[in-house]
Amino acid sequence: GQQLNQSPQSMFIQEGEDVSMNCTSSSIFNTWLWYKQEPGEGPVLLIALYKAGELTSNGRLTAQFGITRKDSFLNISASIPSDVGIYFCAGRKVTSGSRLTFGEGTQLTVNP
Amino acid sequence: DTEVTQTPKHLVMGMTNKKSLKCEQHMGHRAMYWYKQKAKKPPELMFVYSYEKLSINESVPSRFSPECPNSSLLNLHLHALQPEDSALYLCASSPPGFNQPQHFGDGTRLSIL
Repeated sequence: GQQLNQSPQSMFIQEGEDVSMNCTSSSIFNTWLWYKQEPGEGPVLLIALYKAGELTSNGRLTAQFGITRKDSFLNISASIPSDVGIYFCAGRKVTSGSRLTFGEGTQLTVNP
Repeated sequence: DTEVTQTPKHLVMGMTNKKSLKCEQHMGHRAMYWYKQKAKKPPELMFVYSYEKLSINESVPSRFSPECPNSSLLNLHLHALQPEDSALYLCASSPPGFNQPQHFGDGTRLSIL
């Protein structure tokens, strides 16, 4: 069953605001991935994290691999309307091979 | 633009039809995946091919039959599907090596009548 708790489930924000979402688990992961999916498209990889404590940026996006290896967060600064979409976290465990465990997603709406 | 190409983008079929979904990548990736995704839900893994060999089958019903003819192509053959099989079917691939991230295509939207 689902082992990743992603929150919040949805967010309604004004353009220009900062956004924060996170994923937590009772299991240890050795990789965290963040994807964004827009309607009619497949998930697009935003950021990949491989080490505990790692902090990585991609433009206005910043993600961190939690020190305990059981969580990760994604921040979006100065949101714009094209940030709208569903953001999924995904983790890989050492024992899972190539399997990813996905969070349930965060639906982001940005009001101009 | 995604570098994993899926065709067709949309498919409507009856429960007695046989059809195939196609996925292609030319990035030299040696692992390829099929996922099923329902609306506003995360993708669910169906099959994994590694170096053209089936390595994971997540207990998928036999009406779904995967095939990997070569390192660039992945097919999903469909037969006698049920209405609950209507979903977005996503293909993904990842580079050789441990712990590589998966890159997704835009999917085939499948509707079963």
